[in-house]
Amino acid sequence: DQQVKQNSPSLSVQEGRISILNCDYTNSMFDYFLWYKKYPAEGPTFLISISSIKDKNEDGRFTVFLNKSAKHLSLHIVPSQPGDSAVYFCAAFTSGTYKYIFGTGTRLKVLA
Amino acid sequence: EAGVAQSPRYKIIEKRQSVAFWCNPISGHATLYWYQQILGQGPKLLIQFQNNGVVDDSQLPKDRFSAERLKGVDSTLKIQPAKLEDSAVYLCASSAGTGVAGGNKDTQYFGPGTRLTVL
Repeated sequence: DQQVKQNSPSLSVQEGRISILNCDYTNSMFDYFLWYKKYPAEGPTFLISISSIKDKNEDGRFTVFLNKSAKHLSLHIVPSQPGDSAVYFCAAFTSGTYKYIFGTGTRLKVLA
Repeated sequence: EAGVAQSPRYKIIEKRQSVAFWCNPISGHATLYWYQQILGQGPKLLIQFQNNGVVDDSQLPKDRFSAERLKGVDSTLKIQPAKLEDSAVYLCASSAGTGVAGGNKDTQYFGPGTRLTVL
């Protein structure tokens, strides 16, 4: 049972344009969501997070949107840069469990 | 602040052999996680420690995998004997682990991983 899904395995975007990465979840108990970025041969690095009490969180070029009724979150990168090319994982968390469930990842390629 | 350290970075073994991985979390982090990431998939939690106690090992194949976290700091993950399907990247992560959503303390910080190839 895949509780966190990233249905697009890959995405290509032109440099300077917006990248939108999507993530869907099924468990309504999740109350905290994160996005991680992973370069080859490195571990995932934390990018941005959002609590379920919010619907938007912004950090520089990165914005995460949460739609609780649709059980959907998205990561927007504006403007996209070639250095953003990586695999992006969304993860979901339930308070008190300390346990993250990760999606399968989306490979973003930003074309110069 | 030093990050999560893991060793070795790469390991190649033959099936039925044994292997061990080591992890040193960020200083002061109470919670430590071991994940298995198979190519093309997201990280899958194997075991989770809170200090030196096991919180969740429901997805750890206990007939061949074992892990310990002595003194609530470093941790080792062992596979004995290895199978072909164990080929994966093994990631260690740590967090301050308050269990309260919305705080920076819940963020997991990952090490670089150990890439295991079982031939």
